Amino acid sequence: NAGVTQTPKFQVLKTGQSMTLQCAQDMNHEYMSWYRQDPGMGLRLIHYSVGAGITDQGEVPNGYNVSRSTTEDFPLRLLSAAPSQTSVYFCASSYRGDGKETQYFGPGTRLLVL
Amino acid sequence: AQSVTQPDIHITVSEGASLELRCNYSYGATPYLFWYVQSPGQGLQLLLKYFSGDTLVQGIKGFEAEFKRSQSSFNLRKPSVHWSDAAEYFCAVGAGTYKYIFGTGTRLKVLA
Repeated sequence: NAGVTQTPKFQVLKTGQSMTLQCAQDMNHEYMSWYRQDPGMGLRLIHYSVGAGITDQGEVPNGYNVSRSTTEDFPLRLLSAAPSQTSVYFCASSYRGDGKETQYFGPGTRLLVL
Repeated sequence: AQSVTQPDIHITVSEGASLELRCNYSYGATPYLFWYVQSPGQGLQLLLKYFSGDTLVQGIKGFEAEFKRSQSSFNLRKPSVHWSDAAEYFCAVGAGTYKYIFGTGTRLKVLA
């Protein structure tokens, strides 16, 4: 299994540009999520999905869109990039076995918005 | 409100010394608790987790953590630190179905 994969690893955008961060998992996990990591703030939840066709907002959803058309993929779209969206983005997936959940993370995408 | 506090932003220890990283949580129900480690430029790797049962849990790389309900704590320990343990460590609580709250992290520096 490849686990959770993310592309690209690094991206530079200009203010106002749009882009999609890709995330895929091959573990057949129900739950997927996107976090952003900023210095001194830990990880903050942007959006999450509990299954194909179901998404919901996390703590910091503004400026981001998601969709979940398949179990495997959960792309994050930046509609109009702003410098405040400069961050490291992590995708994660988890399953629920015996009522217990464990979250697995991708390697991250570093985004710089100029 | 649900929260996770890691009171130490930075910790420096000498190689071979013992280590304890603190984590306090605020959560109404019985929590699921996790510790993750992040090496520079890398993603988060799960060190250990607590769901129920024995309050002392063992993880990878020689780490362990103890759940203390009375203190709302889940501190991470290692008896002898190696230089390769230098990284950032995150405590997290499972705050309901598929919801996780992370602490702000503790950066560990190891002196040779």
